[in-house]
Amino acid sequence: IAGITQAPTSQILAAGRRMTLRCTQDMRHNAMYWYRQDLGLGLRLIHYSNTAGTTGKGEVPDGYSVSRANTDDFPLTLASAVPSQTSVYFCASSQGRDQPQHFGDGTRLSIL
Amino acid sequence: QKEVEQDPGPLSVPEGAIVSLNCTYSNSAFQYFMWYRQYSRKGPELLMYTYSSGNKEDGRFTAQVDKSSKYISLFIRDSQPSDSATYLCAIPARNTGFQKLVFGTGTRLLVSP
Repeated sequence: IAGITQAPTSQILAAGRRMTLRCTQDMRHNAMYWYRQDLGLGLRLIHYSNTAGTTGKGEVPDGYSVSRANTDDFPLTLASAVPSQTSVYFCASSQGRDQPQHFGDGTRLSIL
Repeated sequence: QKEVEQDPGPLSVPEGAIVSLNCTYSNSAFQYFMWYRQYSRKGPELLMYTYSSGNKEDGRFTAQVDKSSKYISLFIRDSQPSDSATYLCAIPARNTGFQKLVFGTGTRLLVSP
């Protein structure tokens, strides 16, 4: 079934550790996005990529980095995790910047 | 003022009821409006998107936009228990198409049999 695959599904991580959340899509979409979802705050954009080789900052980029080496993969890295990064992380993609976004099922991340 | 505001609910209705979900927004430049449905422990799923004012219908769902009041609505007719989910409105930020979406915090809907 075509769509977005995120891994891991959930993770508990010690503060200060490095963590990479994986996102792969098989729809050949050009644009990809990372959001975090927190109770009472909704979904907030962390980083995005319009095409392979380009990335941009969203609303809450601090403490996160991304790369887009190819069309299908868009990993999100926390270089040194802090408890405030405890959240549910969603990856999304769209055919282009003016097309609706489609989401994966998320990674639940707890930083202790 | 938040760019998009949405009542968090929960909104509880009996099966078969007509449901009205609403969002208000602050930026009059917004052109596109979207509704997503999110089941527990799942990602948001696009339900409908509309451009400009007026109504758009898709089966039991109708999306309505009132740009003069900066108000968008999603109506669900003949609601079913399977409609129980959180509904998120989403609007592109600063007239950039769909690229950067600003989401409401979501309204949780519970449809009881």
